[in-house]
Amino acid sequence: NAGVTQTPKFRILKIGQSMTLQCTQDMNHNYMYWYRQDPGMGLKLIYYSVGAGITDKGEVPNGYNVSRSTTEDFPLRLELAAPSQTSVYFCASSPHRGPVRNRNTIYFGEGSWLTVV
Amino acid sequence: AQSVSQHNHHVILSEAASLELGCNYSYGGTVNLFWYVQYPGQHLQLLLKYFSGDPLVKGIKGFEAEFIKSKFSFNLRKPSVQGSDTAEYFCAVNTNTGNQFYFGTGTSLTVIP
Repeated sequence: NAGVTQTPKFRILKIGQSMTLQCTQDMNHNYMYWYRQDPGMGLKLIYYSVGAGITDKGEVPNGYNVSRSTTEDFPLRLELAAPSQTSVYFCASSPHRGPVRNRNTIYFGEGSWLTVV
Repeated sequence: AQSVSQHNHHVILSEAASLELGCNYSYGGTVNLFWYVQYPGQHLQLLLKYFSGDPLVKGIKGFEAEFIKSKFSFNLRKPSVQGSDTAEYFCAVNTNTGNQFYFGTGTSLTVIP
């Protein structure tokens, strides 16, 4: 299994541009998440999804959109990039099925470094 | 909403020193507790987790953590650190029925040879 795969790894955007961060997982996990990580701030949840067709806002959803048309894919879209969106973005997934100790563990992708100039 | 506090933001230790990183959470119900490690330039990896049973949990690379329910704490320990332990450490919480994981702000550990 590849686990959680994110693309691109690095991207520089100009203010006002739009882009999509791709995320796919091959573990058949029903829960998926997008976090952003800023220095000294830890991880903040942007959006999450409990299954195909269902998405919910996290702590910091403004300026982002998501969709979940399949179990495997959970893309994150930035419509009008702003310097405040310069960050490292992590996609993650969690099984939420089976024994508690398996389903309540979150698996992370390798991160996408985004700079908005 | 739940919250997770990590009071040590930066820790610098010499090799072979003992480590203890604090983690406190705010939630009155049953919680699942985690420590994740992020090595420089890499993604977060699970170090250890607690769901139930023995409150002393052993993880990979010689790390352990103790769940003290009365103190709402889940401190991470290692008796003797190595240079390869230099990383950022995150405590996280969720509930059995919860959809979300709540992370602390992280503790940056630097181990000096």
